[in-house]
Amino acid sequence: AQKITQTQPGMFVQEKEAVTLDCTYDTSDPSYGLFWYKQPSSGEMIFLIYQGSYDQQNATEGRYSLNFQKARKSANLVISASQLGDSAMYFCAMRANAGGTSYGKLTFGQGTILTVHP
Amino acid sequence: GAGVSQSPSNKVTEKGKDVELRCDPISGHTALYWYRQRLGQGLEFLIYFQGNSAPDKSGLPSDRFSAERTGESVSTLTIQRTQQEDSAVYLCASSLMAGVANTIYFGEGSWLTVV
Repeated sequence: AQKITQTQPGMFVQEKEAVTLDCTYDTSDPSYGLFWYKQPSSGEMIFLIYQGSYDQQNATEGRYSLNFQKARKSANLVISASQLGDSAMYFCAMRANAGGTSYGKLTFGQGTILTVHP
Repeated sequence: GAGVSQSPSNKVTEKGKDVELRCDPISGHTALYWYRQRLGQGLEFLIYFQGNSAPDKSGLPSDRFSAERTGESVSTLTIQRTQQEDSAVYLCASSLMAGVANTIYFGEGSWLTVV
């Protein structure tokens, strides 16, 4: 079974500063993908960044980077130069090989609410 | 269309009635997913379709829930005899294929309120 844990229910950051949102995962599958999604108050789920289990380098997408520590099974999201529009719920999710039969579903964490202060 | 399209965007129904929620995935996407999100909570997996394979129904909470998909296009999630605990946002998503690296893109959801 796969499990995602986000231990920070809420985080606060000052505008223009960097913030790290924590995510740890558990899976016995050697091949898996890790995703971060942003959910603003409007409710849509916006894909931010992806990290594959075999990727040698940490993923980056603009102001988003993923601090991937495979041995510790952590995949923290780092947002640099925070903006007011970054205020939202952030979800970490994982998709595993599941033995090559059904890749199927993303398993989500409970989310972290990020509030950016001016 | 450009993104995953869901309808209705909002639905209020009386307890005991049946509801149907529709999802139109991104064109060419072979994998389609339904998730449920209760207020202030994370996403619960409901069901997954991949091409012509048998769907993964492991997340459906009861036999009141069912879903169908026509080929690699539209899907309908049906909830029979709705209960108040069914009130939630129902999110549909699709991906090009079902592989580990394929990003899953979400629609804006159908907000269901059972009164």
